[in-house]
Amino acid sequence: EAGVTQFPSHSVIEKGQTVTLRCDPISGHDNLYWYRRVMGKEIKFLLHFVKESKQDESGMPNNRFLAERTGGTYSTLKVQPAELEDSGVYFCASSRQVDEKLFFGSGTQLSVL
Amino acid sequence: GQSLEQPSEVTAVEGAIVQINCTYQTSGFYGLSWYQQHDGGAPTFLSYNALDGLEETGRFSSFLSRSDSYGYLLLQELQMKDSASYFCAVKGSGGSYIPTFGRGTSLIVHP
Repeated sequence: EAGVTQFPSHSVIEKGQTVTLRCDPISGHDNLYWYRRVMGKEIKFLLHFVKESKQDESGMPNNRFLAERTGGTYSTLKVQPAELEDSGVYFCASSRQVDEKLFFGSGTQLSVL
Repeated sequence: GQSLEQPSEVTAVEGAIVQINCTYQTSGFYGLSWYQQHDGGAPTFLSYNALDGLEETGRFSSFLSRSDSYGYLLLQELQMKDSASYFCAVKGSGGSYIPTFGRGTSLIVHP
């Protein structure tokens, strides 16, 4: 069984540019989560999808961030325009049921210069 | 508010036993999870405690005291490969099943 995959693994962009991160969850996992870790800090929740619906987006920092999960399969997280403080590792995770353990991807290291 | 506190770094030698503590303050509580993350890798699930007491899985054990809002991860017979970051995470904050994570503890195992 393939795990959660994220693309790209690293992205270096300049302030003001746009970046789109992609996450492919484990097949059959209806629940998909985005988290972010800024260096040395906690893994902070961004949002939660159940299938294609946003169940909870309370952690999204501002309207420069847009997440989608068309068809309830893979998800994208777009940052537009990127700011310096958006730098960090963006993790995607999935689970079959919302009360079950999370399976994480290896993350996308985003550096905004 | 909600917060989880765990030490930023712990150092130990191979073969030793180490305990990583986690205290939490959350508006709700269903259970405490532990995840391990090696540098550049994906956080992976280690254990989950919903009830008070000790859960053992091989060399790793996890303990929970709900009355003290406290838990710990115990790693025995440390190996070099155990060097990683360890995150505690609370389920139930605000009534949600989505885990709220701490800042992580970097465990360094020396030969």
